[in-house]
Amino acid sequence: GAGVSQSPSNKVTEKGKDVELRCDPISGHTALYWYRQSLGQGLEFLIYFQGNSAPDKSGLPSDRFSAERTGGSVSTLTIQRTQQEDSAVYLCASSLGGLPNTEAFFGQGTRLTVV
Amino acid sequence: AQSVSQHNHHVILSEAASLELGCNYSYGGTVNLFWYVQYPGQHLQLLLKYFSGDPLVKGIKGFEAEFIKSKFSFNLRKPSVQWSDTAEYFCAVNVDFNKFYFGSGTKLNVKP
Repeated sequence: GAGVSQSPSNKVTEKGKDVELRCDPISGHTALYWYRQSLGQGLEFLIYFQGNSAPDKSGLPSDRFSAERTGGSVSTLTIQRTQQEDSAVYLCASSLGGLPNTEAFFGQGTRLTVV
Repeated sequence: AQSVSQHNHHVILSEAASLELGCNYSYGGTVNLFWYVQYPGQHLQLLLKYFSGDPLVKGIKGFEAEFIKSKFSFNLRKPSVQWSDTAEYFCAVNVDFNKFYFGSGTKLNVKP
């Protein structure tokens, strides 16, 4: 696609429910990143996929968070048993990972509100 | 520990004032450096980037940044800000062509 696409753009969910957030990266980009943006918290790294390598999950805040990337393209971030502190904007980015002189391209984000 | 530090969290300026936002990083490998901007209600977009060569790089909308390797810094500057520059600015580092690390962001509010 022309850019990084995320869906849904907004999600309101009840505390305790599971949610799935989707990211469709730019075609051909081997690297995919998930970040979380909370008020006053900047960009918090969550997880990084690069090609067929094992993902870097070092930023996932708890075991309620997981992500997968199927076929090296679309990625899904899943949050189980959502809590109010999970409310944030979840950003996805992609890049030509592993190559020099590349930049990350961001999607519009999914605004998650846990009520 | 690896980190990207932005020392100014919130900056308020009047139009035509000069801007400098600080960014320091602590990585020892090959680094590519970036400034991203997020205008209200919009997604993050690239403002400028440094890969190699001239350490003074120019980006869109009159912004520039200087890479000072000895100081591990990549400060963003603009000689004369406009109201439309009101946004949040993020410094980012890509290490060894791997993942991107971001600073905590600086909110710039330009008063008309």
